Amino acid sequence: DTGVSQDPRHKITKRGQNVTFRCDPISEHNRLYWYRQTLGQGPEFLTYFQNEAQLEKSRLLSDRFSAERPKGSFSTLEIQRTEQGDSAMYLCASSLVSGNYGYTFGSGTRLTVV
Amino acid sequence: AQSVTQLGSHVSVSEGALVLLRCNYSSSVPPYLFWYVQYPNQGLQLLLKYTSAATLVKGINGFEAEFKKSETSFHLTKPSAHMSDAAEYFCAVSEEKYGNKLVFGAGTILRVKS
Repeated sequence: DTGVSQDPRHKITKRGQNVTFRCDPISEHNRLYWYRQTLGQGPEFLTYFQNEAQLEKSRLLSDRFSAERPKGSFSTLEIQRTEQGDSAMYLCASSLVSGNYGYTFGSGTRLTVV
Repeated sequence: AQSVTQLGSHVSVSEGALVLLRCNYSSSVPPYLFWYVQYPNQGLQLLLKYTSAATLVKGINGFEAEFKKSETSFHLTKPSAHMSDAAEYFCAVSEEKYGNKLVFGAGTILRVKS
């Protein structure tokens, strides 16, 4: 068990380009969450999966954002037509269904849109 | 709806002094409460959690927090600050009925002076 892994750690992209991030959760964790953290703020919930099912999406997740978790294993978060306002740290976390044990977070992907 | 308020965006203490980081929450049902620590350019690490068992919760690195329902508070303390405690600390609340997604406070940056 190597924890939650996120790739890449850093991404710089030009406005209007598409980007995709990957998250590999702890293997026995069936819940996977995506959060976004902007400078000086706490993380904000984006979406979560239980196994392969996407159970909830935040209003923050516009139509340009899409997340998948095929086969209930790793997950990808894609942002289409990136905007400067998308610049943030994107955090992935995983947990067992009974989330009162707390999450395990990955180190995050820092996106900079120029 | 759940919410978290962290009083003081910056707290400065001397090495060896008491650390007190304040957190107040709003929740419609008995909540799960968490404290996370974040070092620069890293993900969040769980310090401790309250899951309706003992109201005084002990965590890693000598931190503890006390759940006070009457005050809707979950303040984080450490008797003696170390230089290595300098980081940003986030309080968070979750509820089972919301899929245990976390609602975070805005964070408190702890500075430790030598």
